[in-house]
Amino acid sequence: NAGVTQTPKFRVLKTGQSMTLLCAQDMNHEYMYWYRQDPGMGLRLIHYSVGEGTTAKGEVPDGYNVSRLKKQNFLLGLESAAPSQTSVYFCASRTINTEAFFGQGTRLTVV
Amino acid sequence: AQTVTQSQPEMSVQEAETVTLSCTYDTSESNYYLFWYKQPPSRQMILVIRQEAYKQQNATENRFSVNFQKAAKSFSLKISDSQLGDTAMYFCAFMKQRRGETSGSRLTFGEGTQLTVNP
Repeated sequence: NAGVTQTPKFRVLKTGQSMTLLCAQDMNHEYMYWYRQDPGMGLRLIHYSVGEGTTAKGEVPDGYNVSRLKKQNFLLGLESAAPSQTSVYFCASRTINTEAFFGQGTRLTVV
Repeated sequence: AQTVTQSQPEMSVQEAETVTLSCTYDTSESNYYLFWYKQPPSRQMILVIRQEAYKQQNATENRFSVNFQKAAKSFSLKISDSQLGDTAMYFCAFMKQRRGETSGSRLTFGEGTQLTVNP
């Protein structure tokens, strides 16, 4: 049982480049989330989805876009990467009234 | 909006001793969940324990237990018989218990407490 899988695990981007992070879950969960983790700031919610075809903004959505065309996948896009987006990104999923299950994280560095 | 506060950025404890990590939260909701997650150096987020607000009994999982004070909006984690493998960042998290409402779907985290267990 794979659970939540994030691709890639590491990436280095140049300022202005674009990329997409993929999150895939095989637990048939309705809710999916993208967080970023920065030292001393915990996990901050970027965007989330409550079901296929739906997305919503979290605390820090600027500079990111998301899509959930299939229930099992939640994509996070950076259209024009900035050094301020250097962070560790986590995807999570859950079903109603259960805890969230997390991917292994993606370390992104923007130079 | 809900907020979660962990006022202890770092803590340390000797192996085999007991340590308590603090967490407070702010909400107007009456039905919700609280969680403690552990993040070891591997970076993986691991659920330690969960508490449902309507349950008065404090949750326990082996060496981990919570002190849930609903009126005070406090949710502390006690680790007994600390082990070297308990060294990790610990996050407190809050989630509303409500269906059919997008704003009720967020999982809100505190800033984290770095726990070091010394031999």
